Amino acid sequence: GNSVTQMEGPVTLSEEAFLTINCTYTATGYPSLFWYVQYPGEGLQLLLKATKADDKGSNKGFEATYRKETTSFHLEKGSVQVSDSAVYFCAQLYNAGNMLTFGGGTRLMVKP
Amino acid sequence: DTEVTQTPKHLVMGMTNKKSLKCEQHMGHRAMYWYKQKAKKPPELMFVYSYEKLSINESVPSRFSPECPNSSLLNLHLHALQPEDSALYLCASGLPRLLQGSGELFFGEGSRLTVL
Repeated sequence: GNSVTQMEGPVTLSEEAFLTINCTYTATGYPSLFWYVQYPGEGLQLLLKATKADDKGSNKGFEATYRKETTSFHLEKGSVQVSDSAVYFCAQLYNAGNMLTFGGGTRLMVKP
Repeated sequence: DTEVTQTPKHLVMGMTNKKSLKCEQHMGHRAMYWYKQKAKKPPELMFVYSYEKLSINESVPSRFSPECPNSSLLNLHLHALQPEDSALYLCASGLPRLLQGSGELFFGEGSRLTVL
C-alpha cells in the first residue's frame, strides 16, 4: 500500500549545524510530496511541497527535492536555528483521492 | 484569508457530556477534513467531506458525528466519549485534487480535547 517512512527522532543538533531528515514514499505513480512542520502546542503548517519528479521545494532555508529514482524527498537545511525546533512530517498525496498519508514524524531539537 | 479557524482551542468534557468542535474556512475550499492526533504521533484521518458530502469515514466510532452545514463550516459532534479519545483534533481544508494539482491541505491550530 501507499506509505511514507521517515527517520525516527529525536534529532538533536547544535545551532548552525546542517540538517537532513530522510523521507521515502511508496505510492505508485506520481504523488505530490510535502513537508509539514508542527511547533509545540500548534497545528500543522505547510513548510514546502513538490508536485513532480526533480522539483525542488524550498522555504525558510529548508529544501527538499523530489527524487523519483530513489522515491525520496529528504529535507535539508544548511544552518539550523533554535527556532527550528519542532516536529517535521513528510507526507504524500496519492493519486486515488484527496487524502494525505503522513510519515511518523521526526522531532528536531536545536540547542544554542 | 488563508486561515482555518478551530474552536474551542481547549475542551474538557465528561464521558456523558455532549459537545461540538467547530471549524471554519473562507478560502473557497470544497474539501474539508477531520484528523485526530495523539501525542508524539502523526495525524490520523477521521473524515473527509467533499462538496459538503461525506466522502470518507475511516471506520470512526459513532460517538464522533461529523456535520458540514455549508461549504465554509465543519463540525464534529461528540457524545459519550472515552478517556482514550483525548487528543488534538485537527481540521484541514483544501481544493479537491481535480481542481488543484498539488492537493495541499491547510490545517487549523487544533482543538485539544480531554475526556475525564
